[in-house]
Amino acid sequence: QSALTQPPSASGSPGQSVTISCTGTGRDIDFYKYVSWYQQHPGKAPKLLIYEVTERPSGVPDRFSGSKSGNTASLTVSGLQAEDEADYYCYAYAGNERVFGTGTKVTV
Amino acid sequence: EVQLVESGGGLVQLGRSPRLACAASGFNFGDYTLSWVRQPPGKGLEWVGFIRSKLYGGTTEYAASLKGRVTISRDDSKSIVYLQMNSLKSEDTAVYYCTRDFVQYGGSKPHFSYAMDVWGRGTTVTVSS
Repeated sequence: QSALTQPPSASGSPGQSVTISCTGTGRDIDFYKYVSWYQQHPGKAPKLLIYEVTERPSGVPDRFSGSKSGNTASLTVSGLQAEDEADYYCYAYAGNERVFGTGTKVTV
Repeated sequence: EVQLVESGGGLVQLGRSPRLACAASGFNFGDYTLSWVRQPPGKGLEWVGFIRSKLYGGTTEYAASLKGRVTISRDDSKSIVYLQMNSLKSEDTAVYYCTRDFVQYGGSKPHFSYAMDVWGRGTTVTVSS
């Protein structure tokens, strides 16, 4: 199972929005609804932001939203804040395997 | 407090076979699928594998690239999940995280979201020659 493809970097000014894409290979994102997104600050463990494409765990601000179209999932961060500067990873369920995206560094 | 704490990392010689452990607390360990994820220095996350709860057979799945070199097991009586690594290579140098699968209980049956809602802080394995 190959890694899902994400842009290496994205950026935006405080208050703006940024959208990160995550493209699968056809056996993962396209067929399943189980795409999740994680935020990782330097030296820290990742944190779950979005699960099942669009759902937010309790405690995650509604500035973070997810969507999916065909074989591409997306994470949008609205109203960018300084603390949103981090690495972001998508993750998909592909039957008995799981796969992460290549990761996107967001700069605010 | 729900918590996962990894141990067993450190400087390991090339070719050795260390075993990492992850101790859980604050939740019903036996009800959950547990996974291992690793991250080489300066690189992205890589799924290593997972072990299902005993209710779902306690079976394991592994990344194709690692199949045959890693084994995940669990001891529900101690709330510990293990990652046995065999014949370490230099590219196995990484931070190894233990994670819990996100499951929602409350309805007639559990709802699996196939996401990871709890992560440990990780343990670093550095392979030396």
